[in-house]
Amino acid sequence: DIVVTQSPDSLAVSLGERATINCKSSQSVLYSSNNNNYLAWYQQKPGQPPKLLIYWASTRESGVPDRFSGSGSGTDFTLTISSLQAEDVAVYYCQQYYSTPPTFGQGTKLEIK
Amino acid sequence: EVQLVESGGGLVQPGGSLRLSCAASGFTFSSYRMNWVRQAPGKGLEWVAYISSDTRTIYYADSVRGRFTISRDNARNSLYLQMNSLRDEDTAVYYCARGRDAYNYWGQGTLVTVSS
Repeated sequence: DIVVTQSPDSLAVSLGERATINCKSSQSVLYSSNNNNYLAWYQQKPGQPPKLLIYWASTRESGVPDRFSGSGSGTDFTLTISSLQAEDVAVYYCQQYYSTPPTFGQGTKLEIK
Repeated sequence: EVQLVESGGGLVQPGGSLRLSCAASGFTFSSYRMNWVRQAPGKGLEWVAYISSDTRTIYYADSVRGRFTISRDNARNSLYLQMNSLRDEDTAVYYCARGRDAYNYWGQGTLVTVSS
């Protein structure tokens, strides 16, 4: 199984500042035949299901604010929130879907400083 | 509007069984691959099972293989998870989620508690 590890486990950022969450997979999730990275990012607020933010490592889901961006390739990925808003307080998960079983990172809890 | 509504959760004793359902609406259910994903209290997300749109392809997590069965009824727009031989560690909120790759729609979840 591909192990996905996020860092940090928790993060406190001031409103309006940049938040950066890292995700590392134990093996590459880049499929060479189509040059796609099989990695997604989700946001989960308390009492709610996860919400898809980013797929193919950098494609923003419809309706997701453009302050959210994803980057990286191969085994190292980053979710960036360019200017933190109060409503962004949540737990963020990355997920690889390159191989079965699909696996999630342990989550990063984002709070306001 | 896409909707996924889970039901069937509850309290069950270790060794018991439970059948979860997920009612889908707002999209052509028969065209989409579906999954069950669970989340233990205060913990992260764990994929449980996958079923293709035509039911030909099914996958399970090692932790549930041989005990859980995923199925679907495209005529009823419904997804199911039959859970047998339940263990304490199966206690979680169970979500149905749409997609083969990233999951773009999730239900609100149904809580399964395994306890004596």
